[in-house]
Amino acid sequence: GAGVSQSPSNKVTEKGKDVELRCDPISGHTALYWYRQSLGQGLEFLIYFQGNSAPDKSGLPSDRFSAERTGGSVSTLTIQRTQQEDSAVYLCASSYVGGASYNEQFFGPGTRLTVL
Amino acid sequence: AQSVTQLDSQVPVFEEAPVELRCNYSSSVSVYLFWYVQYPNQGLQLLLKYLSGSTLVESINGFEAEFNKSQTSFHLRKPSVHISDTAEYFCAVSEPGNKLVFGAGTILRVKS
Repeated sequence: GAGVSQSPSNKVTEKGKDVELRCDPISGHTALYWYRQSLGQGLEFLIYFQGNSAPDKSGLPSDRFSAERTGGSVSTLTIQRTQQEDSAVYLCASSYVGGASYNEQFFGPGTRLTVL
Repeated sequence: AQSVTQLDSQVPVFEEAPVELRCNYSSSVSVYLFWYVQYPNQGLQLLLKYLSGSTLVESINGFEAEFNKSQTSFHLRKPSVHISDTAEYFCAVSEPGNKLVFGAGTILRVKS
């Protein structure tokens, strides 16, 4: 079946512009995660959605970053007033949360964001 | 809070030689441990995981890792590497809610 998809695959923007990154999780997966992969910072957790619960936003680096998940499926990560340090690959992952204490996360291919 | 340290940023090795990629973690609670692999221009893939039970876990392509609680380590090993194993490898630990905390990554370069 289809895996996690992300769009666009590449995004180049100018400093100060807003960008939206999209994630389509695997159908039926109730949990959705955003991570960021950048030089010097490695892979960092950003935000986590699980069902109808309030999202865990503890990894968002500033209030310029926000995310929403509509209808429990598609998620959009928005970065306002982009800065050069926002340049990174943004990864989305999803998992099915069932009775087990661990549920494997499946990663999308990522969106490479370049802020000029 | 949990943290993960990968001791080597790059590991060059000749084909068919053994390799060990080192990973140490810190946590005040029981953890789940993972190795992810990222092949060039591809996404992250789960290579193997330790959840509980046997401390030695194996992947389908010959890698294995051993959970050592006393040394807080989860080193990845392969007795004989192939060119196709060239990739970046990430060690990770999960926090409550299953969000992952990653190490900085180790680039494995297999040379012929």
